Amino acid sequence: EVQLVESGGGLVQPGSSLKLSCAASGFRFDDYAMYWVRQAPGKGLEWVSSISWSGDNIEYADSVKGRFTISRDNAKNSLYLQMNTLRPEDTALYHCAKDMSPSIKVASSGLDVWGQGATVTVSS
Amino acid sequence: FQMTQSPSSMSASVGDRVTITCRASQGISTWVAWYQQKPGKAPKLLIYDASSLYRGVPSRFSGSGSGTDFTLTISSLQPEDYATYFCQQANSFPFTFGPGTKVELK
Repeated sequence: EVQLVESGGGLVQPGSSLKLSCAASGFRFDDYAMYWVRQAPGKGLEWVSSISWSGDNIEYADSVKGRFTISRDNAKNSLYLQMNTLRPEDTALYHCAKDMSPSIKVASSGLDVWGQGATVTVSS
Repeated sequence: FQMTQSPSSMSASVGDRVTITCRASQGISTWVAWYQQKPGKAPKLLIYDASSLYRGVPSRFSGSGSGTDFTLTISSLQPEDYATYFCQQANSFPFTFGPGTKVELK
């Protein structure tokens, strides 16, 4: 079964750090680009970051650039999101998602596998 | 880069034909995907490349459009189709999702 399972969410204070993980199974992980997409409570979907199959190409939304770092370990079939200097507006459900292609240097067809998400709450 | 979506919500009955539109602020060829999301669940890919049906998705779903204007159509609404639908431009970063269309029971 093709599956993505996120972990590492929690309640943290503003300015804190948190690292999310996403474990992939059921497909060849190193064949595909991967994404983080978040959804604030009651809101829509917001793209956060993308990483190519090799990790050589990375993109970030302006809202997280300089604070968040995406990475992957193909040997462990895992995707990560290191989140530093967290703000209340980062409060959201964070989904990892699989692209239909390996590269992020060309247009994407879409994200065909999604995890259920990890909840991040930033509050004092 | 903006993706506008209309309507934001709608009421429809089982068997109705439902049309949701998405407009991009600039031309994006056919690099649009459509997703369905139910409460408490992850989004599911329905349509990719504007008009390609993702495997396992019922044929009552269809997509069309190119350039700036795109449409998701449900030919005959079924009870399991009550959900929120999002478009996404995948032409270039930053990838942008539309604000969503909530389809509710009439």
